[in-house]
Amino acid sequence: GENVEQHPSTLSVQEGDSAVIKCTYSDSASNYFPWYKQELGKGPQLIIDIRSNVGEKKDQRIAVTLNKTAKHFSLHITETQPEDSAVYFCAASKVGGATNKLIFGTGTLLAVQP
Amino acid sequence: DGGITQSPKYLFRKEGQNVTLSCEQNLNHDAMYWYRQDPGQGLRLIYYSQIVNDFQKGDIAEGYSVSREKKESFPLTVTSAQKNPTAFYLCASSFAGAGETQYFGPGTRLLVL
Repeated sequence: GENVEQHPSTLSVQEGDSAVIKCTYSDSASNYFPWYKQELGKGPQLIIDIRSNVGEKKDQRIAVTLNKTAKHFSLHITETQPEDSAVYFCAASKVGGATNKLIFGTGTLLAVQP
Repeated sequence: DGGITQSPKYLFRKEGQNVTLSCEQNLNHDAMYWYRQDPGQGLRLIYYSQIVNDFQKGDIAEGYSVSREKKESFPLTVTSAQKNPTAFYLCASSFAGAGETQYFGPGTRLLVL
């Protein structure tokens, strides 16, 4: 079945630096890739998503890139701030099917040091 | 104020006891989902429902049961058959169809006494 691998599991950066989190998926039919941010003790919140008809999407300091050939997608956060500290999850699913099942990566704990 | 609510925030279960976690949404979403989150792991799907009075097993359904009598509500029962129930439980909802954004509730932490 579909599998999503996420790296690194932990990432520590200095405030103002960039952070990159990478995910690899196994099912070439996957074509919807959301990213969620989860703060301690809370539910995940969608921060950005991308569909396979585009290679990159940006929203202020956050961007996601997709390489369909290599089955990789990455989250880029620029000018990191302490409030960016959280666990980030990638996920993958197939648009066009009857169900909306997301397969999640194992998460990346991002720590932004002031 | 629209969104997804889960209650209680913390829940304690005694040995052999069934407990029910509540999930309500007022987003007019057709589909609802239950996930389990363990430390250091991603979210794993327990059950999902795409329409009222219908639901399907996810990847780890054993020891759990659900019902979907109303569009707004999707309660999860953790039965005594679930031998390792301690976890953070997350409910989500979305519009029907693949590729629709799933929105999550705040979660319920279940602890075994």
